[in-house]
Amino acid sequence: KAGVTQTPRYLIKTRGQQVTLSCSPISGHRSVSWYQQTPGQGLQFLFEYFSETQRNKGNFPGRFSGRQFSNSRSEMNVSTLELGDSALYLCASSSEGGTKNIQYFGAGTRLSVL
Amino acid sequence: GDSVTQMEGPVTLSEEAFLTINCTYTATGYPSLFWYVQYPGEGLQLLLKATKADDKGSNKGFEATYRKETTSFHLEKGSVQVSDSAVYFCALSDPGTASKLTFGTGTRLQVTL
Repeated sequence: KAGVTQTPRYLIKTRGQQVTLSCSPISGHRSVSWYQQTPGQGLQFLFEYFSETQRNKGNFPGRFSGRQFSNSRSEMNVSTLELGDSALYLCASSSEGGTKNIQYFGAGTRLSVL
Repeated sequence: GDSVTQMEGPVTLSEEAFLTINCTYTATGYPSLFWYVQYPGEGLQLLLKATKADDKGSNKGFEATYRKETTSFHLEKGSVQVSDSAVYFCALSDPGTASKLTFGTGTRLQVTL
């Protein structure tokens, strides 16, 4: 069974641009969560999608948005990039998103904003 | 809100030494507790988990016990190997928002020969 796939692995953008990251969950998984990892703030929850609906949301500005498609693939968009958005963005999938369900993480997309 | 506090790293040990990484948490409900490991250039892998008080999670020689009375979930391994060198994250999920993991800051472990 293929794992969680995130594309691209690396991205370089400049301030003010926007970016879209993609996540393909494990087959059969309906919940996709996104996290931002930075040296200063650590791992922070962005949002979770389940069956195409945003179910949970972290404390990030509206420049961070996401969506989920009917095949459970998810995209995350960041508009008007700032230098502080440079981070490793991790996606995780689970079958139902419940307490007993394990979240499986992808390798991440490393975004550098210049 | 929920929070997780981990001991600061890096932790440097010789091979076959005993490992303890401390983790304490603050949560309003009865969270599930996890240890994740991150190897260089990779995402997070679940190492072990515990979903209720007194549960012991174990995997690959690592163990952690859910202690509600001390709100702790310390990670232990009796004999570390060089291949255990990685960053270890303690995390919790609240039953009300089960897919939202709250992570500690991570502890880097370096094991030398």
